[in-house]
Amino acid sequence: DQQVKQNSPSLSVQEGRISILNCDYTNSMFDYFLWYKKYPAEGPTFLISISSIKDKNEDGRFTVFLNKSAKHLSLHIVPSQPGDSAVYFCAASGRYNFNKFYFGSGTKLNVKP
Amino acid sequence: GAGVSQSPSNKVTEKGKDVELRCDPISGHTALYWYRQSLGQGLEFLIYFQGNSAPDKSGLPSDRFSAERTGGSVSTLTIQRTQQEDSAVYLCASSLTPQGYTDTQYFGPGTRLTVL
Repeated sequence: DQQVKQNSPSLSVQEGRISILNCDYTNSMFDYFLWYKKYPAEGPTFLISISSIKDKNEDGRFTVFLNKSAKHLSLHIVPSQPGDSAVYFCAASGRYNFNKFYFGSGTKLNVKP
Repeated sequence: GAGVSQSPSNKVTEKGKDVELRCDPISGHTALYWYRQSLGQGLEFLIYFQGNSAPDKSGLPSDRFSAERTGGSVSTLTIQRTQQEDSAVYLCASSLTPQGYTDTQYFGPGTRLTVL
């Protein structure tokens, strides 16, 4: 029962353009969402988060958008750089069990020079 | 400072054998998590330790899986009588506090387990 879904296993983008990674969730009790970035042979590293009281959070080139009614979040990277090439995971947790995180299956982003 | 470390980085074992995977969290981090990532899947929560509290074991897939955390620091994940479906990357993460809303989990590089 996958409560967090990333339906695009891969995405290819030209350097300098926008990358948009999408994530859908099914559990309406989720109220905290995170994006992690993972390079090969390394553990995931935290990228950006958003709580359900917001619909947008921005950190430099990275912006996360949350649409609670659609149970959808997206990560925008502008401008994309070759060093952004990695696997991106979205994750969610709920107010009644905030230490338990549910992860999507990841989207592999390839930014072409 | 040192990050989360895990050992071994790779483990190949035969079906039916027991394995132990080790995690050294960041010093001072009170929360410790184990996840596993099977091929083509997302990270699957296994177990969570917070200080001296009873661990949240709700993600352990069967009673062949167990974990302990000694002295609030190092953790060992044990898989008994391994099966081929246990093959996965096992990831450990630690965080400073249990305050999930503002907390950041720091992940180790993982242990790749292959059960033949």
